[in-house]
Amino acid sequence: DAGVIQSPRHEVTEMGQEVTLRCKPISGHDYLFWYRQTMMRGLELLIYFNNNVPIDDSGMPEDRFSAKMPNASFSTLKIQPSEPRDSAVYFCASSLGVLYNEQFFGPGTRLTVL
Amino acid sequence: DAKTTQPNSMESNEEEPVHLPCNHSTISGTDYIHWYRQLPSQGPEYVIHGLTSNVNNRMASLAIAEDRKSSTLILHRATLRDAAVYYCILSSISNFGNEKLTFGTGTRLTIIP
Repeated sequence: DAGVIQSPRHEVTEMGQEVTLRCKPISGHDYLFWYRQTMMRGLELLIYFNNNVPIDDSGMPEDRFSAKMPNASFSTLKIQPSEPRDSAVYFCASSLGVLYNEQFFGPGTRLTVL
Repeated sequence: DAKTTQPNSMESNEEEPVHLPCNHSTISGTDYIHWYRQLPSQGPEYVIHGLTSNVNNRMASLAIAEDRKSSTLILHRATLRDAAVYYCILSSISNFGNEKLTFGTGTRLTIIP
């Protein structure tokens, strides 16, 4: 398996623009997680899905952020409108089960909002 | 959520063992101890996890104190490729019934050739 795939790897955009980050989890994994990493706040969980259903979005910063998982092999994280403070590395991860299962992380998308 | 405390940074010589400490004095009976590491410009990767007993795998060993208030990740023979930020994490069960990982600031391990 190719592991968790994220695209794009780098994104530079201007404030106010819509940004869409994409993730393909490992086949057969039931859980998908979106994280954000910044120097100031470290690695934070934004939202996770179980069987394509959002379970816990308490980490989503505000209404400008939304995430979807239309099928088992694809998820998106959208920011609209983007702001400079959204600049960060966004990671997607997937895992097999509910408890005590290893999470496999993608390579991340580095987002810069000017 | 129970918190962990790790040193900000450590150094070790190549080909020597490394002991990375973690304190978690408020751990509950059902909290698992996880270790992940993040190599430069990569996403975190799983290293090991345990509950009460010491654990070994091909990457490392996890030694858990008898009272579970601390643990140590042991890299038996460090290589330059082990230079990374190591995160000690206590998993907790969320209100939704699943396990959540809350990453702290970790220990930045530098390997000296």
